[in-house]
Amino acid sequence: KQEVTQIPAALSVPEGENLVLNCSFTDSAIYNLQWFRQDPGKGLTSLLLIQSSQREQTSGRLNASLDKSSGRSTLYIAASQPGDSATYLCAVDGTASKLTFGTGTRLQVTL
Amino acid sequence: EAGVAQSPRYKIIEKRQSVAFWCNPISGHATLYWYQQILGQGPKLLIQFQNNGVVDDSQLPKDRFSAERLKGVDSTLKIQPAKLEDSAVYLCASSTSRGWETQYFGPGTRLLVL
Repeated sequence: KQEVTQIPAALSVPEGENLVLNCSFTDSAIYNLQWFRQDPGKGLTSLLLIQSSQREQTSGRLNASLDKSSGRSTLYIAASQPGDSATYLCAVDGTASKLTFGTGTRLQVTL
Repeated sequence: EAGVAQSPRYKIIEKRQSVAFWCNPISGHATLYWYQQILGQGPKLLIQFQNNGVVDDSQLPKDRFSAERLKGVDSTLKIQPAKLEDSAVYLCASSTSRGWETQYFGPGTRLLVL
């Protein structure tokens, strides 16, 4: 059974700081890994999707890496802004588009 | 392009009552998912439809939960009777039939069972 762990559970950083969120998974047989953002009271928004054959994906200030063999992924956020405050969820797709989610990292970017 | 629509947004019921949630996926998306997200946890897949057929319902508590997707478009999720532990956000998502594309999520229905 796939298990996904995210560390830290919560993080507070001052505006402008670069930060890294971590995700680990127990079963390396995955199709892809995705990072989502969830704002309070809202659904999830997909940020980045990394196929199992890829090592990283970039979108703007976000960069996600994947090391399938070690069961790890990181989400790097450059020059953080208050608008980045949200919960970030990592999810792995093991088979037939079935996502297994981590419990998330709650990020607060302060002025 | 319109996103995934869900209703109601909030629902408060007493235990042992029944409740139903509705989801309208993005037009043309063949795959539809229902997730349960308990406070402080990540979403957990309850059921996955491909058109109007069930692909995976292994984590659906079938003694009290049921779901259908008539005509391969809209879907309803029902709980009968509800328990206190069913208090959660119920998220609907949809995607194209191609498994390597992302899922698009609706805003969710927040359920409180008293």
